[in-house]
Amino acid sequence: ETGVTQSPTHLIKTRGQQVTLRCSSQSGHNTVSWYQQALGQGPQFIFQYYREEENGRGNFPPRFSGLQFPNYSSELNVNALELDDSALYLCASSLMTSPDTQYFGPGTRLTVL
Amino acid sequence: AQSVSQHNHHVILSEAASLELGCNYSYGGTVNLFWYVQYPGQHLQLLLKYFSGDPLVKGIKGFEAEFIKSKFSFNLRKPSVQWSDTAEYFCAVNRGNAGNMLTFGGGTRLMVKP
Repeated sequence: ETGVTQSPTHLIKTRGQQVTLRCSSQSGHNTVSWYQQALGQGPQFIFQYYREEENGRGNFPPRFSGLQFPNYSSELNVNALELDDSALYLCASSLMTSPDTQYFGPGTRLTVL
Repeated sequence: AQSVSQHNHHVILSEAASLELGCNYSYGGTVNLFWYVQYPGQHLQLLLKYFSGDPLVKGIKGFEAEFIKSKFSFNLRKPSVQWSDTAEYFCAVNRGNAGNMLTFGGGTRLMVKP
């Protein structure tokens, strides 16, 4: 148990739809990162939020967006879903000053048909 | 662009065999290095990490890794694997000035036969 939860566990959407994934971080963690893990690959960094502002972004288009809330929860939003968006989406919470203590959630498996 | 390479995609071993999983990274500046493990159906867990100091680091469950700066490598080792080590292993790199962003390798799926 890492104290990081994600919802939903599984989700099926169709191309063109929009999806919101949720993450609840460990209490006190001011940084949340989101990763996309396609089947058979390692996680890829999407973006990071620190104190409710985006603080770094990987090679993902603007239709991937996020929010971080004061209660340590966060959201990943994906618009105009594409088939290649099918993946496991992971969030990780940490303190900005302690990159060695990232705690990963169990992930949300998104399938786009 | 920074990249992390894990050359062994699938490894099958018998119990008690020794394990070494390779990891190489391409970034030349200050880096922090990690190995994560993902057991079937479970979340990613930190096995061990290297930030500075002794290049041989020890982690949980008898795992260790050696940082060789000249080779840009951070290989994971275990002298004697157990069936319970069956999992997927990921090497990851964090640049010293990149916040908490991790760049992961593609992973190595380890199967240990009883």
